[in-house]
Amino acid sequence: GAGVSQSPRYKVAKRGQDVALRCDPISGHVSLFWYQQALGQGPEFLTYFQNEAQLDKSGLPSDRFFAERPEGSVSTLKIQRTQQEDSAVYLCATKGRVDYEQYFGPGTRLTVT
Amino acid sequence: GENVEQHPSTLSVQEGDSAVIKCTYSDSASNYFPWYKQELGKRPQLIIDIRSNVGEKKDQRIAVTLNKTAKHFSLHITETQPEDSAVYFCAARRNQFYFGTGTSLTVIP
Repeated sequence: GAGVSQSPRYKVAKRGQDVALRCDPISGHVSLFWYQQALGQGPEFLTYFQNEAQLDKSGLPSDRFFAERPEGSVSTLKIQRTQQEDSAVYLCATKGRVDYEQYFGPGTRLTVT
Repeated sequence: GENVEQHPSTLSVQEGDSAVIKCTYSDSASNYFPWYKQELGKRPQLIIDIRSNVGEKKDQRIAVTLNKTAKHFSLHITETQPEDSAVYFCAARRNQFYFGTGTSLTVIP
């Protein structure tokens, strides 16, 4: 079946603009994770949903970052007033209820100029 | 939250030699430990994983060991090949996943 998809794949934003990044999970996957991966670094946990409930948002770096998953399927990560330090690849991963493994999407590369 | 440390950050080996990457974690409640391979510009790919009730797991040339008491786990790649060259990440999970900082492995032909 289809894997995790993310859109857009690439986004260039001017400093101060708002951006919205989308994640389409594997059908039926209840857990959804967002990560930020800066160049040369490992993925850093941002936030985690189980169905529509956001169970942990402790990794969001500032109140400019906001994530939602209103119907327990598609999720959107929104970054307001983007800064240069927000430039990174944003990865989404999803997991089935009984799975241990998470499945990654291809990521969205955000460049803030 | 969990803190995962990974060593070394870079590793060069001759083709055919073995490579070992080590990770430690801080949260004793973590119960799942995957290893990922990430090639440039690609998403992380799971190569092997281990659960906390198992001490060792092997899949062809790749093996992982877990020491719960010491809170460390290791990836072993034997008979390395040039196509093994990539960045490898360990991770630990209780509810969410926390990643190590990565090891850039270069296999020299």
